[in-house]
Amino acid sequence: KAGVTQTPRYLIKTRGQQVTLSCSPISGHRSVSWYQQTPGQGLQFLFEYFSETQRNKGNFPGRFSGRQFSNSRSEMNVSTLELGDSALYLCASNPLPGSNYGYTFGSGTRLTVV
Amino acid sequence: AQSVTQLGSHVSVSEGALVLLRCNYSSSVPPYLFWYVQYPNQGLQLLLKYTTGATLVKGINGFEAEFKKSETSFHLTKPSAHMSDAAEYFCAVSDPGNTGNQFYFGTGTSLTVIP
Repeated sequence: KAGVTQTPRYLIKTRGQQVTLSCSPISGHRSVSWYQQTPGQGLQFLFEYFSETQRNKGNFPGRFSGRQFSNSRSEMNVSTLELGDSALYLCASNPLPGSNYGYTFGSGTRLTVV
Repeated sequence: AQSVTQLGSHVSVSEGALVLLRCNYSSSVPPYLFWYVQYPNQGLQLLLKYTTGATLVKGINGFEAEFKKSETSFHLTKPSAHMSDAAEYFCAVSDPGNTGNQFYFGTGTSLTVIP
């Protein structure tokens, strides 16, 4: 069974632009979470979606947003990009909300802001 | 509030030697605990988890970890290191009572295996 698929794998954007990242969870998984990974801050929680609703949000500015579609696929958007947004963005899925499952992570999207 | 401390950002072991990666957590309630491994340019892969029940948990690739409530620890071990174990390892904690699904990750330990 296919894993968590994130597209694109690599992205280079200019400051001030916006970007949309996509995540397709494992088939049957309905909970999707997003994390940002940077060398300085480590792994930080962005948000979690279930049934097209955001259930939880981390401490990120409003420039970071996301959504989930009826087929459980999720997108995250970052507007007005800053150099500090350069990071590996990881998507993770679970069958349902509930941290006892542990996550299944995708390979991530490496965003570079220049 | 929850937090995770991984002692030692870099650990080196010889091939065939014991691997011990340390993780201590802070939590107001008995947490769920996880270890993940990350290879270069890849996402995180779940090695093992503790939710309830037996405190010694066995995972993939010969790794195991023991939940010690009195020490608030969840150290990861492997009896004999293999070259393929070289990677970044992350300990994570979550609050089972939290209606969200947020994990708190440690800062990671980079494991080097010396031939």
